Amino acid sequence: QVQLVESGGGVVQPGGSLRLSCGASEFSFRSYGMHWVRQAPGKGLEWVAFIHSDGSYKDYADSVKGRFTISRDNSKNTLYLQMNSLRTEDTAVYYCAKDWRRGLSGYDPWAYFDCWGQGTLVTVSS
Amino acid sequence: DIQMTQSPSSLSASVGDRVTITCRASQAITNSLAWYQQKPGKAPKLLLYAASKLEGGVPSRFSGSASGTDYTLTISSLQPEDFATYYCQQYYRTPLFGQGTKVEIK
Repeated sequence: QVQLVESGGGVVQPGGSLRLSCGASEFSFRSYGMHWVRQAPGKGLEWVAFIHSDGSYKDYADSVKGRFTISRDNSKNTLYLQMNSLRTEDTAVYYCAKDWRRGLSGYDPWAYFDCWGQGTLVTVSS
Repeated sequence: DIQMTQSPSSLSASVGDRVTITCRASQAITNSLAWYQQKPGKAPKLLLYAASKLEGGVPSRFSGSASGTDYTLTISSLQPEDFATYYCQQYYRTPLFGQGTKVEIK
């Protein structure tokens, strides 16, 4: 059973930084692109970032471009999201999600998500 | 940019009812549409992709269809475990979700 487990959420002041992690198991992590999707309290879903399976291509939502960095370590089966210059509007549950496409195709984030982690809450507040 | 308009935002229904939720895309997305179910405090779960293809393990009472830029999720006979919020998502371009439809017990 594919498993994704996020960690690293917490409370941070505006302007602060936080790094989220997502550990993957029971599938060939290095073969799939990965995404971060967030959900503000009581709100809908918002795609945040994508990284290609080999880490060579990344894309971001305009709302986080220049502040967030997605990365991965295929040797550790782990996905990361470095969040800098955090704003109150970044408060949300952050989910990592597996891209359905396998292999070296997909140098774009245009995908649906066939597996999600349980999410980690990030609260930006003074 | 593509816009997705999901309706209704909420609905009340009884067990056994047929339920229909619609997403309208602002331009052609060539059936690049997925549907998810989300229960409170839980992650979304993929139900359908490519507008009408059922994800493995999803009950056959869930179905999807397309007509032009309109996409529909149908639950043929609502079960107690189906009370949840449903989201559409286009992946023709940068992923974008609909606003969600909360299905509540009447």
